[in-house]
Parts: sequence; structure tokens; C-alpha cells
Amino acid sequence: GNSVTQMEGPVTLSEEAFLTINCTYTATGYPSLFWYVQYPGEGLQLLLKATKADDKGSNKGFEATYRKETTSFHLEKGSVQVSDSAVYFCALRGSQGNLIFGKGTKLSVKP
Amino acid sequence: ETGVTQTPRHLVMGMTNKKSLKCEQHLGHNAMYWYKQSAKKPLELMFVYSLEERVENNSVPSRFSPECPNSSHLFLHLHTLQPEDSALYLCASSLGGSGSYNEQFFGPGTRLTVL
Repeated sequence: GNSVTQMEGPVTLSEEAFLTINCTYTATGYPSLFWYVQYPGEGLQLLLKATKADDKGSNKGFEATYRKETTSFHLEKGSVQVSDSAVYFCALRGSQGNLIFGKGTKLSVKP
Repeated sequence: ETGVTQTPRHLVMGMTNKKSLKCEQHLGHNAMYWYKQSAKKPLELMFVYSLEERVENNSVPSRFSPECPNSSHLFLHLHTLQPEDSALYLCASSLGGSGSYNEQFFGPGTRLTVL
């Protein structure tokens, strides 16, 4: 069945450090892939998405590239800020349109 | 700013209580979802409603009972819960129903604690 595996957290970085959060998936075919972010006390918000192989999603300085060869969709940002502290969820779209999420990775950015 | 609201934000209940969670969306969407977010586990899809009809029920115990009276409101009725049901319950909505992907917008969640 479909599943998403993302790196265990928490991840703690200093401001302006480079961020990578790994995400790999198992699925039939080539599903759409997503990164959601959950800020403290809030619901999930769509951060970026990619709908086909080699697509790059980007938003707010974050990027992720859909790699079908490695079934990966790693999240990257060149210079994190304290305001990026949140929980990040990788997800794929299942065959019925539902979202299948990873466990989430908590990011803490220190000034 | 989310157009999906959930009440209450926090709920503590005993195992014999009956309570309800409420979700309301102001986005004109026609599909609504309940998810369960437990510590150290992936978000679990519980129920999907499209055009006010339930289209998916992921083997959720009967002590959870959803209700969708119209396309803007979704309830989750709770009774005889167990401590392991303690979690964050998230509501989401989307346009176009679950059969086609459109972005899901999430509410802030209800933090439920079962004593």
C-alpha cells in the first residue's frame, strides 16, 4: 500500500543554517506529493506540492523536487529563520484523493 | 488565515461522557474530513464527507460517530471513549470532493484528553 517515511525529529538548527528534511514514499504509480507545515497551536497548511516527476515545488524559500528514481521528495531551505520552527509533514495523494501523511518532523530554529 | 474553525479547542472528558466536536468551514467547499493526530504517529484519516454523504470510513470504532448536516458543518460525536483516544482531532475541507485532489484546508484542531 501507499506510505510515507520521513526523518525522525526533532531537528534543531541555528538561524541561517541549511535545512534538509528527508522524505521517501511507497506508492503505485506516480502520486502527487506535498509538504505541509503545522505551526504551534495551528492546523496544517500546505507549504508546497509537486504533481509529477522532476517537478520542483517551492514556497517561502523552501523547495522540494519530485524524484521518481529514488522515490523521494526531500524538503530543503538554504537559510532557516526562527519563524520556521514548526512541524513539517510529507504527504502523498492516495488513489481516492485522500492524503497519506508521514509522522512529521519537528524543527526548532535557535537565534 | 484558515477558513476552517473548530470548537472546542480543548476538551477533557471521562470515559462515560458523551461530547461532540464541531467543525465549520467558510470557504464554500463541498468535502470535509476528520483526521486523528496522535503523538509519534502519522495523521490518520477517519472520515470523509463529499456533498454531505460519507464516502470513506477507515475502520473507525463505532464510539466515534460523524455527522454532516450541510456542506459547511461537520460534527464528530464521541461516546464511551478510551484513554488511547486522546489525540488532536483535525478537521479539513476541500473543493471538488475526495475523488479529485484539491488542496485541503485544515482547522486548528481539538485537543482531546480522555481520563
